[in-house]
Amino acid sequence: GQQVMQIPQYQHVQEGEDFTTYCNSSTTLSNIQWYKQRPGGHPVFLIQLVKSGEVKKQKRLTFQFGEAKKNSSLHITATQTTDVGTYFCAGRVPSGSARQLTFGSGTQLTVLP
Amino acid sequence: DGGITQSPKYLFRKEGQNVTLSCEQNLNHDAMYWYRQDPGQGLRLIYYSQIVNDFQKGDIAEGYSVSREKKESFPLTVTSAQKNPTAFYLCASSIGSGTLSNQPQHFGDGTRLSIL
Repeated sequence: GQQVMQIPQYQHVQEGEDFTTYCNSSTTLSNIQWYKQRPGGHPVFLIQLVKSGEVKKQKRLTFQFGEAKKNSSLHITATQTTDVGTYFCAGRVPSGSARQLTFGSGTQLTVLP
Repeated sequence: DGGITQSPKYLFRKEGQNVTLSCEQNLNHDAMYWYRQDPGQGLRLIYYSQIVNDFQKGDIAEGYSVSREKKESFPLTVTSAQKNPTAFYLCASSIGSGTLSNQPQHFGDGTRLSIL
């Protein structure tokens, strides 16, 4: 089935440092969504990217969708302790039999004060 | 406040026992989903339903069953056929009209199921 790989699995940063998580697929994706799950919480939708090469920003968060629509990244500038959590990407192959999103395994971010 | 309510928060199952996890939403969403989350892994789709009285298997449907008799409710039964049921179960919903994979999903707080 469709695989959506996410790296790194874990990342520890000092508060104020930047953070990036990467999402990769062997096949073209029709869209990519990003979610954040706080410790002990549930995933919360952050953003969706649809167009090739699309870049969207939410305050300190920058989301990119690759030109080939096979990869995506989430970059956080100057991390804060409130950024702690696991970040998931989710995408779908446009012509595949699976009609639903496939989630990556997530990147667990720890921010050290 | 609109949202998704999952109950119970914690559930314990004995060997050979079926258990049902509740999921209710008041967001007026047509589509609902059940995911399983294991430590260090992403969410895996168990079942989804785009409209009332219709549901489809996801990637890991074996050992699970669902029903969708009402728009607001999408209960998940973990049957005794599911040999490794210990996991965190998340219910989600989305608007439902159009392409499901283009819709943001709203999640409940989850049910943590353990085997006694």
